[in-house]
Amino acid sequence: EPEVTQTPSHQVTQMGQEVILRCVPISNHLYFYWYRQILGQKVEFLVSFYNNEISEKSEIFDDQFSVERPDGSNFTLKIRSTKLEDSAMYFCASSELGQAYNEQFFGPGTRLTVL
Amino acid sequence: AQTVTQSQPEMSVQEAETVTLSCTYDTSESDYYLFWYKQPPSRQMILVIRQEAYKQQNATENRFSVNFQKAAKSFSLKISDSQLGDAAMYFCAYRAYNTGNQFYFGTGTSLTVIP
Repeated sequence: EPEVTQTPSHQVTQMGQEVILRCVPISNHLYFYWYRQILGQKVEFLVSFYNNEISEKSEIFDDQFSVERPDGSNFTLKIRSTKLEDSAMYFCASSELGQAYNEQFFGPGTRLTVL
Repeated sequence: AQTVTQSQPEMSVQEAETVTLSCTYDTSESDYYLFWYKQPPSRQMILVIRQEAYKQQNATENRFSVNFQKAAKSFSLKISDSQLGDAAMYFCAYRAYNTGNQFYFGTGTSLTVIP
């Protein structure tokens, strides 16, 4: 069964450094998402992406964040200058369609640790 | 703003017994969808069951069923004949019908199945 994959599984970085988190969505899916979960807190929506542009973003998704689909398979989240509070688990998800009923398929997550 | 609350951080159940995980939500929308996702240890979240708010009939998927009380804004998950493989973190999630495509998640309930 197709799965969403994410790399790396764990990323450690110094505060102020740039990080790129990578995701490979399911191949026939058209909608892509990033979520994050700070330890002990809720899973929070960051951004959704469709047709090569952001379709929706949350207040968390400020100018430090960007997303890109550099080729036909990868979907990346870049954090330009990491802060301590960016330490979290980051989940990528994809869905075939964008309607509210449609299931989003999640990746296993990337644990980002900012020192 | 939409909020989802899971008041039970941890639950345990004996194998073959039944357990109910609770979830409440707050919304001013009339059309929306509710989901339960399961996240096994070190694995990705997978969809367990979903419910359309306009349907009065509670959704069921094999051993999993929900008790949807729209007026009370309650959406509990019942797991019957619990199995060891049911041990996981369970997330309740809300998604509006036509005001964006993001999920709103609860903080999760960690379910332990005792052999």
